[in-house]
Formats: sequence, structure tokens, C-alpha cells
Amino acid sequence: KAGVTQTPRYLIKTRGQQVTLSCSPISGHRSVSWYQQTPGQGLQFLFEYFSETQRNKGNFPGRFSGRQFSNSRSEMNVSTLELGDSALYLCASSLAGYFTDTQYFGPGTRLTVL
Amino acid sequence: AQSVAQPEDQVNVAEGNPLTVKCTYSVSGNPYLFWYVQYPNRGLQFLLKYITGDNLVKGSYGFEAEFNKSQTSFHLKKPSALVSDSALYFCAVRDTGGGNKLTFGTGTQLKVEL
Repeated sequence: KAGVTQTPRYLIKTRGQQVTLSCSPISGHRSVSWYQQTPGQGLQFLFEYFSETQRNKGNFPGRFSGRQFSNSRSEMNVSTLELGDSALYLCASSLAGYFTDTQYFGPGTRLTVL
Repeated sequence: AQSVAQPEDQVNVAEGNPLTVKCTYSVSGNPYLFWYVQYPNRGLQFLLKYITGDNLVKGSYGFEAEFNKSQTSFHLKKPSALVSDSALYFCAVRDTGGGNKLTFGTGTQLKVEL
């Protein structure tokens, strides 16, 4: 089975621009979560989507948004980029998001904001 | 709110020696605990999880973890370390408030030397 895939792997943007990142979950997985990883803040939860609905959201400003499609693929969007948005963005998928489910992570998208 | 602490930023061990990476947790309700490993420029790889049952959990690549409810700990162990085990290790706890959010520790850099 193919793992979680994320595109693009690397991205360079300038302040004020917007960016869209894509995540394809493992086949059959319906829950997709997004995390931001930075040296200063570590791994922080952004949001989770299940059956095209946002089920959970972390403490990030409204510039960070996401969506999920009927095939469970997910995108996240960051508008009006700031320097502090430079990070590794990780997507994780799980079967249904039950407490016992394991989240499997993709390789991440490295975003650099100049 | 859930939290996880990894008290050691770095652990050094000689190849062939046993290794332990420490993790303590704080949750309201039943703990659902996970260990992940991250190699440079890669996403997180799932190692093992504790949901319920035996306090000794066996995982991938010869790793195991010991759940101790009285000490609220979930230490990662391996009987004989390999140089290839050198990586960043994260302990995580599932949010009990519903959804699929993981709260991660700050990570422990494991260095296995010849």
C-alpha cells in the first residue's frame, strides 16, 4: 500500500503571498490531520478533517485553512504569509480517527517564506 | 489538557548497549500513547502505541515501550542499539476531547556511537 504523499516537497514563497499544500492519504483512510513543525515550537496540531468536515482545530490564526475532498485528499492553505510560517508541514492519515487509530505521516512539505 | 514531557534533549549510547528514551505524560482519562521517529528531512515514522492491555508494548525495529501508570511514564527502550537508530524520537498522547489530535513532546535526539 502506498503511504501518505504530500506535494510539493519544497516551496519558497515571499511574505504576503499565499500557498496551498496537498496531501493524499493512505488508500481507505478517511481522516487527515495537519501539523506544523518548527525548531522553536516543535510539532503543533493545525486541524483535522474527516468525511470532508473539519472535526478539530488547533490554535492557529484564520490565515490557516484547509479542506478535504470526497476522495479524502486534503489541502491546506496559508494566506498572507509571514516569515514565521516557515516550517515543515506534515500531513497524517488514519482510518477513521478513533482513539485507537494510528496516524501515519507523510514526508512533509518544507515551506520557506522570504 | 493533555501534555507530554521528554526530559532529555539528547541521549548518547554506544552501539550494542541498551537504550532508553524517557517520556512522561499528563492526561485526564485513559492515556493513548505513541512513539514516532524522525530521520533528517523525513516525516514521522510510527514505532508503537499503548492503548490498553499489557504494560510492555512491542513495536517496529526491535523497539518496545513500558507503560507505567503510577509513574505516568511511557519510556521507549531497545535492548541493543544500532548506529542506524540515531534519529529524533517523539512521544505523543492522543487528545481525549474527541477528534484525532496528537500532542507531542519536544523530542529527544538519540545518538548511537560506534
